[in-house]
Formats: sequence, structure tokens, C-alpha cells
Amino acid sequence: DTEVTQTPKHLVMGMTNKKSLKCEQHMGHRAMYWYKQKAKKPPELMFVYSYEKLSINESVPSRFSPECPNSSLLNLHLHALQPEDSALYLCASSQDVLGGDEQFFGPGTRLTVL
Amino acid sequence: GQNIDQPTEMTATEGAIVQINCTYQTSGFNGLFWYQQHAGEAPTFLSYNVLDGLEEKGRFSSFLSRSKGYSYLLLKELQMKDSASYLCAVRDPGSGNTGKLIFGQGTTLQVKP
Repeated sequence: DTEVTQTPKHLVMGMTNKKSLKCEQHMGHRAMYWYKQKAKKPPELMFVYSYEKLSINESVPSRFSPECPNSSLLNLHLHALQPEDSALYLCASSQDVLGGDEQFFGPGTRLTVL
Repeated sequence: GQNIDQPTEMTATEGAIVQINCTYQTSGFNGLFWYQQHAGEAPTFLSYNVLDGLEEKGRFSSFLSRSKGYSYLLLKELQMKDSASYLCAVRDPGSGNTGKLIFGQGTTLQVKP
């Protein structure tokens, strides 16, 4: 199994809703990432988990809350989002955070905030 | 600061060869990646360079010159399916061993018949 899965594929939510994005990998990778990507822009790093511990938070607003329940799962909890948060949210994983480990990306969740 | 530059758009003909350049200015360097991203899909890994020279993988090759802060991705025998965005990304040395990648803006390649 060499893939990263993400659910849901699409999500529409209001500004008062609470929702969660889920990411899963079964490659034994110990590093997992959340990226945000706007149209025609490159991915922007949000969070990095290394060995289930948060190692990078790129000054992301607190309305985004990551969680790593175990080494295979990564969640992103959403609350009180703004319309400008509408984007493609990509999860990625790599063997480790060191050296040339490539990051495998999931298909993404396309989020629309109304 | 960190800066990665690549052309915004390129057009090439099916069957031809195209070279996509990437220049970077960073305080240090710990590897450069190329990713391909089709519209609406996730990025997929193409290549990784950490030492100077050329890495070849089928129709795709990637070159790195650390002294010049320069890399290119070479695509041979272009196919229509190669129409995509190509992302150059540098591993951020400033963040220690945290795996952070800094992406360029991406080059949108259009392959025409």
C-alpha cells in the first residue's frame, strides 16, 4: 500500500460549522503534513507531525486544529472558518523528516466555506 | 529570506524536449525536489537531487548545480499527458530536521499536438 487517503473529497461548510478532515497512510511513515493550496498556487505548509508530535506550526490560525491520534492517522479539525479558507487541503507523509525522503501526497479535500 | 523562481508558463510540442528551470536563493541547502501536479489532483514525486549532476529516470531527468543555485527538469518525448504544473521545492535548512519544503510558484506546461 503506497498511498495516502483523505476524506472527504469535497466539503462545504458554513462559518459556524465544525468539521474534520481525515488523512490515513499505511506505509509506516513517521512524518505527516498538512498543506493548503489555493488555485494556481503552490502548496503552503501548515503543520508537520514527526513521530506523532507536532514539530511545525506555520503560524496557522487557531480555527485550524491538527491532531495525530496514531502514526497512521492525521486529522484537521475546522471551526469558525472564513470564506478565504476555501482551498484544497492536502495531506502528505514521508518516511521521516530527514534527508531526501519524498513526501507522498493524498488526493486532497476541496473545502468551500460559505 | 528564501526565494525560488521558475517560469510561470511554458508551451511545447508533442514529441519534443522541454527544459523547466528553477533557481533558488536560500541561506543553506538540503535537497531539491521536483513534483508534477495535474489540475485538481495531488502533486506526485518526480525527482530528488542533493548532489551536483544529472539524475535520469526514464523520460524525465533533473539536474542540479549547488554553486549556481540552479536546477532544471528535462522532459523528453513529450506526451499530451505531460501537460501539468511542475513544482520545484527546496528543503528548508533553516528549520533543522523538520522536513519543511519551500515550493516555487510552479510552471504550467502545455503540450500541443
